[in-house]
Amino acid sequence: ILNVEQSPQSLHVQEGDSTNFTCSFPSSNFYALHWYRWETAKSPEALFVMTLNGDEKKKGRISATLNTKEGYSYLYIKGSQPEDSATYLCAPSAGAGSYQLTFGKGTKLSVIP
Amino acid sequence: DADVTQTPRNRITKTGKRIMLECSQTKGHDRMYWYRQDPGLGLRLIYYSFDVKDINKGEISDGYSVSRQAQAKFSLSLESAIPNQTALYFCATSDSVNRGERSTDTQYFGPGTRLTVL
Repeated sequence: ILNVEQSPQSLHVQEGDSTNFTCSFPSSNFYALHWYRWETAKSPEALFVMTLNGDEKKKGRISATLNTKEGYSYLYIKGSQPEDSATYLCAPSAGAGSYQLTFGKGTKLSVIP
Repeated sequence: DADVTQTPRNRITKTGKRIMLECSQTKGHDRMYWYRQDPGLGLRLIYYSFDVKDINKGEISDGYSVSRQAQAKFSLSLESAIPNQTALYFCATSDSVNRGERSTDTQYFGPGTRLTVL
């Protein structure tokens, strides 16, 4: 079981603001890093999966970067909208176990109109 | 139609009762998982299955059992429910097909079952 830290636990931003949050994980034996978005009363939905140091992924206004040497990933949201309000989960996997994800507790984002 | 379905969606039961939560998928994936979510904690893996004959314990399997009846169906049982098993339970699936140098198992989640044990 990996030690996964996400920060901050929660944040409130105004509509239009850009924001970012962090996922920290052990750098040893890294295999992949997943980001999920979880809206209230729905199920977690995959955003990105990254495997290589320096990877960057983008989906609309949301992007993510990966640093496997120091064990962290950043998720960025540009120009936050109310519909971005959700909990964002990161989940690294280690060794050859690409299937066994360890989920962080998440960052809960609230975008105020 | 949802690709991953869970039944029931909500269940209230009493201590000591046997409960079964069911998961079905139409995604054609071979791997299936059961997680539980508690307030303030991350999703924790209970059991996972790579195919009908391959079932493995996860981080918190005590007090739970599973059955993989078919590739598309994976059930979670609480033999004798206790109040600290009150939680939100998710089923998930992934595809083990290797898509290149490094395959990654993106997991697709069902809608969840909210279980309350009184």
